[in-house]
Amino acid sequence: DAGVTQSPTHLIKTRGQQVTLRCSPKSGHDTVSWYQQALGQGPQFIFQYYEEEERQRGNFPDRFSGHQFPNYSSELNVNALLLGDSALYLCASGTGGAYEKLFFGSGTQLSVL
Amino acid sequence: AQSVTQLDSQVPVFEEAPVELRCNYSSSVSVYLFWYVQYPNQGLQLLLKYLSGSTLVKGINGFEAEFNKSQTSFHLRKPSVHISDTAEYFCAVIKPGGTSYGKLTFGQGTILTVHP
Repeated sequence: DAGVTQSPTHLIKTRGQQVTLRCSPKSGHDTVSWYQQALGQGPQFIFQYYEEEERQRGNFPDRFSGHQFPNYSSELNVNALLLGDSALYLCASGTGGAYEKLFFGSGTQLSVL
Repeated sequence: AQSVTQLDSQVPVFEEAPVELRCNYSSSVSVYLFWYVQYPNQGLQLLLKYLSGSTLVKGINGFEAEFNKSQTSFHLRKPSVHISDTAEYFCAVIKPGGTSYGKLTFGQGTILTVHP
């Protein structure tokens, strides 16, 4: 059983560009959360999707948007990239409000030059 | 809003020695508490959690943590560490409630380095 898979693993973009990151949740999971982990920092919550809707949002600008598909997979889109958007982006999936079932992917390392 | 402070950014320790990683939190409401571990180039793995009940919580890999409500702390301990415990450890909190599921607030992390 595959866990949470994220693609791509690494990505290099330049300022002003747009990027799309992808997340496939663990089998049986219906909730996806996205986090940004800057170098030397703990992960920061971006937003959460459930039933194809954004349910919760952290303190991130509208440049950060997302989507959840009927198969529960999810995308994170970032527009007008800034140097400060360079970070590891983590996806977590879960179901039923069960914290022991909240699993994290290995992340996408985004570098903005 | 909740916040988490991990009091040590780096903790070096020798193999087979005991270790304590300190975590304090701030919240105006009751919270659930977690410790996660992150190995290089990997995602976060849940070590243990406190939701309610006994304040001493046992997790995987021989780790345990004690919830202290009066001191708003949730320190992680292991009586004897191994080289393989070298990793970064994150303390996290969440406000209970259906829509909060998955919305964790993390500390800045503690890098545990176990020396032979």
